[in-house]
Amino acid sequence: DTAVSQTPKYLVTQMGNDKSIKCEQNLGHDTMYWYKQDSKKFLKIMFSYNNKELIINETVPNRFSPKSPDKAHLNLHINSLELGDSAVYFCASSQVRIAGAGEQYFGPGTRLTVT
Amino acid sequence: AQTVTQSQPEMSVQEAETVTLSCTYDTSENNYYLFWYKQPPSRQMILVIRQEAYKQQNATENRFSVNFQKAAKSFSLKISDSQLGDTAMYFCASVYYGGSQGNLIFGKGTKLSVKP
Repeated sequence: DTAVSQTPKYLVTQMGNDKSIKCEQNLGHDTMYWYKQDSKKFLKIMFSYNNKELIINETVPNRFSPKSPDKAHLNLHINSLELGDSAVYFCASSQVRIAGAGEQYFGPGTRLTVT
Repeated sequence: AQTVTQSQPEMSVQEAETVTLSCTYDTSENNYYLFWYKQPPSRQMILVIRQEAYKQQNATENRFSVNFQKAAKSFSLKISDSQLGDTAMYFCASVYYGGSQGNLIFGKGTKLSVKP
């Protein structure tokens, strides 16, 4: 029973292409996130999405657009891919509204390589 | 703004010994959580331990324990009886849930190697 799943796990594509990464959680959580881990292993938040409210990190280029068809899914679409987009992208989820809950559950990550 | 600092990029320890990973953070909030996540070579992010800021008692999970010093804004992780499977990147993180969302702020990580 996978809690947070991402597809694909590996994605190799050329500059200029458009690609999507899908994320699904079966934990019933109300908030989902996208994080980017760069080549130096540094993890940084990109977006969080709670009950149809999207919080966009201002440092994220507008080529990145998250889309949430429902509470269990948060997909990441990337337009006009650049070499610098190569990284591992993690989806995560949490249940914010329950008092005491704090941890986020992560998907397995998607390694994106742009050539 | 919250920041998290891990000052040890790499550490090593002999199997069965004890190691402590350091973490300091900065926040102006009162209601926050602190975490240690482990990322083995498989790259899966695994929660090791969590601490609610309002709790004075240090959290423990089997061989893992923290030393939470709220006034000093310090949150170190102690791993006892180190095992080869503990070899991984360890990330300290903080989150503030004052609104409806909370974004984890990560430190840069400490690469731990457990040697046989």
